[in-house]
Amino acid sequence: GENVEQHPSTLSVQEGDSAVIKCTYSDSASNYFPWYKQELGKRPQLIIDIRSNVGEKKDQRIAVTLNKTAKHFSLHITETQPEDSAVYFCAASGTSYGKLTFGQGTILTVHP
Amino acid sequence: DAGVIQSPRHEVTEMGQEVTLRCKPISGHDYLFWYRQTMMRGLELLIYFNNNVPIDDSGMPEDRFSAKMPNASFSTLKIQPSEPRDSAVYFCASSLSSIGEQYFGPGTRLTVT
Repeated sequence: GENVEQHPSTLSVQEGDSAVIKCTYSDSASNYFPWYKQELGKRPQLIIDIRSNVGEKKDQRIAVTLNKTAKHFSLHITETQPEDSAVYFCAASGTSYGKLTFGQGTILTVHP
Repeated sequence: DAGVIQSPRHEVTEMGQEVTLRCKPISGHDYLFWYRQTMMRGLELLIYFNNNVPIDDSGMPEDRFSAKMPNASFSTLKIQPSEPRDSAVYFCASSLSSIGEQYFGPGTRLTVT
């Protein structure tokens, strides 16, 4: 099955800096790569996703890049704010229709 | 829509007892997912349904776990008998299609003593 590795496990930045989280996946058939944000005690919520026919997608301060050849994708957050502090999860679809495999998560802390 | 609804929000039970978690997906969503979240293992998919039919239950840890979806608006996850290592937050999620946003419920925090 699909295996997703996520790095780093923790990331600390100053407000206004950029943050980058990276994920690698094992199944070359994966075609959908979402990113979820989970605030403390809350449910995961989708913040951005990308499909395998696109190399990059941007939504305001967040962007995701995908390198299918290398089987890795990254989340970029610019001009970070304290409210960006949360756990971020990447995921990949694998070959099972509808099934997502999640990375282990990255705890992002943005210091004011 | 109220979003995905889960009950109970918190459950504390003793080892050996039966536990039933409930989920109401968003109306019109054809896919329903059950996840378990722990610090050690992260977010794990247990089972998912398409049009009320179980598609993949390979994540169900063992025979003590079972899930049903008797209709499009209701699903249950049952643990019998429960063990302390089952303590976790259990999320239900639903989606319109196989590829696309999954909407998570608020979760059920299960503690087995």
